[in-house]
Amino acid sequence: TQLLEQSPQFLSIQEGENLTVYCNSSSVFSSLQWYRQEPGEGPVLLVTVVTGGEVKKLKRLTFQFGDARKDSSLHITAAQPGDTGLYLCAGIPSGTYKYIFGTGTRLKVLA
Amino acid sequence: DAGVTQSPTHLIKTRGQQVTLRCSPKSGHDTVSWYQQALGQGPQFIFQYYEEEERQRGNFPDRFSGHQFPNYSSELNVNALLLGDSALYLCASSLGGLRNQPQHFGDGTRLSIL
Repeated sequence: TQLLEQSPQFLSIQEGENLTVYCNSSSVFSSLQWYRQEPGEGPVLLVTVVTGGEVKKLKRLTFQFGDARKDSSLHITAAQPGDTGLYLCAGIPSGTYKYIFGTGTRLKVLA
Repeated sequence: DAGVTQSPTHLIKTRGQQVTLRCSPKSGHDTVSWYQQALGQGPQFIFQYYEEEERQRGNFPDRFSGHQFPNYSSELNVNALLLGDSALYLCASSLGGLRNQPQHFGDGTRLSIL
């Protein structure tokens, strides 16, 4: 069974703090995607990483794909209340079209 | 440019009934994937349709079936509903020719089984 485990599951921080969310698996993925989901809405794609070791930046968010393409991280600098939401990683195992979603990290940023 | 639209937004059914959920993909997209998201969890992949065929299936029983139409819209059918089928059902569309294409999600159908 291919699983993507995210940590931490819950995170409550003050505005201005930095944080890192991890997405780990024992399986190799052809790509990993990060999404943010707000209550009552579908997930919104933030980024796709494809190459092992790849780093992508989206304003205050930095995404990294592990060298072996088994893990990824999301780092947020100077978190803001607008960053509050459920963060999900999702991967496509090599050789399939099946998206596997992580368990999710629920982030709350307090003003 | 319309995004992914799903209908209905909410639905209440009783055990043993059957339900059909509908999805219209984002303009220009030809692939539709369906997911089940239980409260507090990440979405679980049900199946993906491409060129009107089921291309990939997740670990869901045969009670879950689907269809894709020539205009790329899709339906998800669930028969013999169980209490455990209560969830948010999400549809995502993408361009199917290559893997790793970005998925665009609708806001889902909230299905409640009584």
